[in-house]
Amino acid sequence: KAGVTQTPRYLIKTRGQQVTLSCSPISGHRSVSWYQQTPGQGLQFLFEYFSETQRNKGNFPGRFSGRQFSNSRSEMNVSTLELGDSALYLCASSTEPTDTQYFGPGTRLTVL
Amino acid sequence: AQSVTQLGSHVSVSEGALVLLRCNYSSSVPPYLFWYVQYPNQGLQLLLKYTSAATLVKGINGFEAEFKKSETSFHLTKPSAHMSDAAEYFCAVSDRQAGTALIFGKGTTLSVSS
Repeated sequence: KAGVTQTPRYLIKTRGQQVTLSCSPISGHRSVSWYQQTPGQGLQFLFEYFSETQRNKGNFPGRFSGRQFSNSRSEMNVSTLELGDSALYLCASSTEPTDTQYFGPGTRLTVL
Repeated sequence: AQSVTQLGSHVSVSEGALVLLRCNYSSSVPPYLFWYVQYPNQGLQLLLKYTSAATLVKGINGFEAEFKKSETSFHLTKPSAHMSDAAEYFCAVSDRQAGTALIFGKGTTLSVSS
């Protein structure tokens, strides 16, 4: 079974731009979560989607948003990029919200 | 609120030596506990998880962890380190009832020397 896929793998943007990251979960998984990983703050939870509904949201500003489609694929969007948004963004999927999360390879975002 | 503390941001061992990575958690409800490993430029790979079935949990690549409620610990061990074990290791906790997000520790980088 194919794992979690994330596109693109690398992205370079400039301050003020917006960006959209995509995540395709493992086949049959309906829950998708997003995490931000930085050297300073470590791994932090962004949000979780299940059956196209946001179930949980971390402590991030409103510039960070996401959505989930009927096929369980998910996208996250960051508007008005700041230098501090440079990070590895990880997507994880699970069959149900309480089940084990399996991670994708991540998207490395660099904001210049 | 849940939290995880990983003692030691960097651990160095010799090949063949015992690996011990420490993790203490705080949770007001029965937790799920996890260990993940991250190799450079990759995502997180699940090593093992505790869901209350057994206190000693065996994972992949020869790793195991023991849940000790009295000590609120979930330390990761491997009897004999291999060069390929060099990576960053993360302990994480989640609320088994609510299925909330994973709360991660800061991570421990394991170095293995020959």
